[in-house]
Amino acid sequence: GDSVTQMEGPVTLSEEAFLTINCTYTATGYPSLFWYVQYPGEGLQLLLKATKADDKGSNKGFEATYRKETTSFHLEKGSVQVSDSAVYFCALHKAAGNKLTFGGGTRVLVKP
Amino acid sequence: GAVVSQHPSRVICKSGTSVKIECRSLDFQATTMFWYRQFPKQSLMLMATSNEGSKATYEQGVEKDKFLINHASLTLSTLTVTSAHPEDSSFYICSVGGMWGAGRSTDTQYFGPGTRLTVL
Repeated sequence: GDSVTQMEGPVTLSEEAFLTINCTYTATGYPSLFWYVQYPGEGLQLLLKATKADDKGSNKGFEATYRKETTSFHLEKGSVQVSDSAVYFCALHKAAGNKLTFGGGTRVLVKP
Repeated sequence: GAVVSQHPSRVICKSGTSVKIECRSLDFQATTMFWYRQFPKQSLMLMATSNEGSKATYEQGVEKDKFLINHASLTLSTLTVTSAHPEDSSFYICSVGGMWGAGRSTDTQYFGPGTRLTVL
């Protein structure tokens, strides 16, 4: 079946450091790929998405590129802030079944 | 993005009682709503998918009679945890999808803020 694998956290960074969270997926067909962010005690917020190979999703300084050849969708941000401390979830969606498949989540802690 | 609300945000109840959680889409009509459960420091587990006007589709291992889902309108879905026990304590999150309208993507789900259930 479909699956999403993320790097395990926690990832601890200093403010203004470069952030990368690796995400790889296994799926047949052509899924859409997503990054969601969850702040403490809250639900998930859509961060960015990409719907086809080589698409780049971007939002709030975060970027991720849909790489079909490596089945990856790594999240990057060039300069993190304390407010970026959260849990980040990579997910895929396929029209058949209309379900999101989530990775395990990566906790990021940014220290001042 | 779409705005989704949940009520209540927190609930504490005694073992054996039933608890109803509401999920509302505030600015669009949602044909499909999803209910997830999240344990501390873990990912989301899909419990069921509900389509407006029809019965919910439950994931394997989720008890239909314990987690009752009703999706009576395009803006409201409810999850009722019947005869709750301490092991039902969790963070329950709903999401909406299957929308239409300008700028809405059917592959994107928008999530509510979650409801923390504690069963004593």
